[in-house]
Amino acid sequence: AQKVTQAQTEISVVEKEDVTLDCVYETRDTTYYLFWYKQPPSGELVFLIRRNSFDEQNEISGRYSWNFQKSTSSFNFTITASQVVDSAVYFCALNNNFNKFYFGSGTKLNVKP
Amino acid sequence: EAQVTQNPRYLITVTGKKLTVTCSQNMNHEYMSWYRQDPGLGLRQIYYSMNVEVTDKGDVPEGYKVSRKEKRNFPLILESPSPNQTSLYFCASSLQGLENIQYFGAGTRLSVL
Repeated sequence: AQKVTQAQTEISVVEKEDVTLDCVYETRDTTYYLFWYKQPPSGELVFLIRRNSFDEQNEISGRYSWNFQKSTSSFNFTITASQVVDSAVYFCALNNNFNKFYFGSGTKLNVKP
Repeated sequence: EAQVTQNPRYLITVTGKKLTVTCSQNMNHEYMSWYRQDPGLGLRQIYYSMNVEVTDKGDVPEGYKVSRKEKRNFPLILESPSPNQTSLYFCASSLQGLENIQYFGAGTRLSVL
């Protein structure tokens, strides 16, 4: 079975705090891709990152970083020094060999000034 | 401008009245997909299409139909809408299925009374 779990329904932080959004996935496929998308209050879905199952290198992009660990089936997302503009719903997603996509239920991040 | 266009953006209808939500992309993408977003459930894939005339079921296909007669268009058809199909719908496209980044339309908010 393919499944993505985002156990944190909602997180509230104060601006400049660091915050980590958790993503745990299940798949029996050896080849798969993991994604993070952002959905700001305006409603559109914005791509943030893609990672394939063979690349466990962590990635950093500005204030954003991602930690992929196959051993724990996790693909966590950290925002350093959060800003109000980071307030959004964040989705983790899994894409497998059958070309289907599985999204987590999302984590709503509230960054307060 | 590269984009995925959905119409209408908002729709209120009554139970049993057939409706179509259109989706069009101008990026020459092979892969197109429909999702519904519901609170607490994230995005769930309804149908996807790997190419013209090739469609397949996602996780929640019941009550929906799709067709892919041209590469750029992928309409979602609700033959007999019911209140449990009240949701936010997103169309997405990508170059191909596995691995590729999906680009999403702005969403269609559907209410079935």
